[in-house]
Amino acid sequence: EAAVTQSPRNKVAVTGGKVTLSCNQTNNHNNMYWYRQDTGHGLRLIHYSYGAGSTEKGDIPDGYKASRPSQENFSLILELATPSQTSVYFCASGEGTGRNTLYFGEGSRLIVV
Amino acid sequence: QQKVQQSPESLIVPEGGMASLNCTSSDRNVDYFWWYRQHSGKSPKMLMSIFSNGEKEEGRFTVHLNKASLHTSLHIRDSQPSDSALYLCAASDYNQGKLIFGQGTKLSIKP
Repeated sequence: EAAVTQSPRNKVAVTGGKVTLSCNQTNNHNNMYWYRQDTGHGLRLIHYSYGAGSTEKGDIPDGYKASRPSQENFSLILELATPSQTSVYFCASGEGTGRNTLYFGEGSRLIVV
Repeated sequence: QQKVQQSPESLIVPEGGMASLNCTSSDRNVDYFWWYRQHSGKSPKMLMSIFSNGEKEEGRFTVHLNKASLHTSLHIRDSQPSDSALYLCAASDYNQGKLIFGQGTKLSIKP
């Protein structure tokens, strides 16, 4: 099974501060994704990537940037964190076809105070 | 308005009973559907996928798909306490690799 690791697993940030969530996958998948999960909303897509150097906006990109410097790594950046960004963030990877199964990391819990 | 809608929001089923979960997409471009299961405090894991009209069975789990109505359903027979989890439906289209998820159905199995 694909291995997707996220860091940090838990983070407390101050309002207005910068937060970087990192994700690494070891199965050479083309696609990587960032989702956030809040009660009642399931998983909402923030940004995704088709490969190194590419980033695409998902359904809720406002307030977030993404970076894909290599096949293995995909970061989510909150330049000016706000309390509304308190959530659990999941990174996932997939082969990149329409039928691809996603493999998720264990999640990063972010609290913005 | 989410493009993938699930019902019910929550469901309580006695142990040994049948659980039925529903999911509909409002995006006509959707081609493929998945069901993911997420136990409390854990990450989602793919449970079943279905890409063609009809039915697919794996052990106690059965999924149905009607592409004309963009509706899929998941049925769990002989439900076990370990089936208690959040069940997430997801859909994607042929061209893109991105999955759009519904809000989930919280299933509780009562011993």
